[in-house]
Amino acid sequence: AQSVTQPDIHITVSEGASLELRCNYSYGATPYLFWYVQSPGQGLQLLLKYFSGDTLVQGIKGFEAEFKRSQSSFNLRKPSVHWSDAAEYFCAGPSGNTGKLIFGQGTTLQVKP
Amino acid sequence: EAGVAQSPRYKIIEKRQSVAFWCNPISGHATLYWYQQILGQGPKLLIQFQNNGVVDDSQLPKDRFSAERLKGVDSTLKIQPAKLEDSAVYLCASSPRTWNEQFFGPGTRLTVL
Repeated sequence: AQSVTQPDIHITVSEGASLELRCNYSYGATPYLFWYVQSPGQGLQLLLKYFSGDTLVQGIKGFEAEFKRSQSSFNLRKPSVHWSDAAEYFCAGPSGNTGKLIFGQGTTLQVKP
Repeated sequence: EAGVAQSPRYKIIEKRQSVAFWCNPISGHATLYWYQQILGQGPKLLIQFQNNGVVDDSQLPKDRFSAERLKGVDSTLKIQPAKLEDSAVYLCASSPRTWNEQFFGPGTRLTVL
């Protein structure tokens, strides 16, 4: 069965520090993977996506993620966190053959001043 | 380009009542999704439409939930009768086709008392 796991439920970082959010997936073929961000009371906004090709993908707001097949990971990174990055982050990947997505449980990011 | 529209944004009902949510996807998007997001969890797919046909409704509680997309454009999701455990945010998303990024609406927050 396909699955997406985000091991960290809650992460706190200081403003200006670097950030890495972990995502592990289970999928037989080459997956397509996404990172979404959700601010309180809002829908999900796409940060970046990986379909194929270059394993390091750039997204909006200075985020990037690296697809590592050997580790079944797609971790999200940002070199310097801003207070406005405080939100919930979801990793998502495919399940089955209909193109539907399954989401990880999410990681809540808190940014300390 | 207008985004995915949903209404209402908030709804409070008592258990055993019925409720309906409406979604208008981005123009031209063939695929429409309804997700349920329980507090503290990632979104879970309830039903996926391709134009006006159902692609996946394996996780839709069909004894109480129903959805339709009659003209292949907007969609309604209905719950009848509602239970306490249906309290959640209901997200609608659309994409140009399957196996593509999904664009999310702001969601409807349902509280069942």
